Amino acid sequence: EAQVTQNPRYLITVTGKKLTVTCSQNMNHEYMSWYRQDPGLGLRQIYYSMNVEVTDKGDVPEGYKVSRKEKRNFPLILESPSPNQTSLYFCASSLRSRGLGYTFGSGTRLTVV
Amino acid sequence: AQSVTQLGSHVSVSEGALVLLRCNYSSSVPPYLFWYVQYPNQGLQLLLKYTSAATLVKGINGFEAEFKKSETSFHLTKPSAHMSDAAEYFCAVTENTGNQFYFGTGTSLTVIP
Repeated sequence: EAQVTQNPRYLITVTGKKLTVTCSQNMNHEYMSWYRQDPGLGLRQIYYSMNVEVTDKGDVPEGYKVSRKEKRNFPLILESPSPNQTSLYFCASSLRSRGLGYTFGSGTRLTVV
Repeated sequence: AQSVTQLGSHVSVSEGALVLLRCNYSSSVPPYLFWYVQYPNQGLQLLLKYTSAATLVKGINGFEAEFKKSETSFHLTKPSAHMSDAAEYFCAVTENTGNQFYFGTGTSLTVIP
């Protein structure tokens, strides 16, 4: 089944403790992206990647890192999480063409205390 | 940067009534436009997309949207609401290179029996 898999689905952590949210897609998509969803703000793009070893900042990149060493994986790294990073995170992927739209993962609900 | 405005964060309709969810975009060039649906505790699913072909776009689950350049709108409609349509709906637009998607803040649809 074609899908984007995120792990974990739920995560509670403490301020400053490094964490990684994994994202993997099995559709051979070149384009991958991370979003955070907050009430009243919709989805905001954190980082995106056009291909292996090619990443760029979205609208809200502060406090996050990403890497794209393999085509299928695009992990999101929070080096020192803070409470304002409590949010619902989505990974998404797309074939190269912008007209095809995204396939989204099921989301990761992160709480930083 | 392009942007999307969804009018009405909450919309309630009776079962069987017309569904109309509004989306206006700003863009200096012809955009690609999308509607996504998010059911509780799930990721976003693509409902339909406009990619500069026919201005009336039909999607899944009986939804359709019409691209109106003169009004910079891409409103989502469904002739008869079903209880299963209750969800959050997001309008999105891509920018020129397709590197970034911009999402609206979402409209929560409630269907009243």
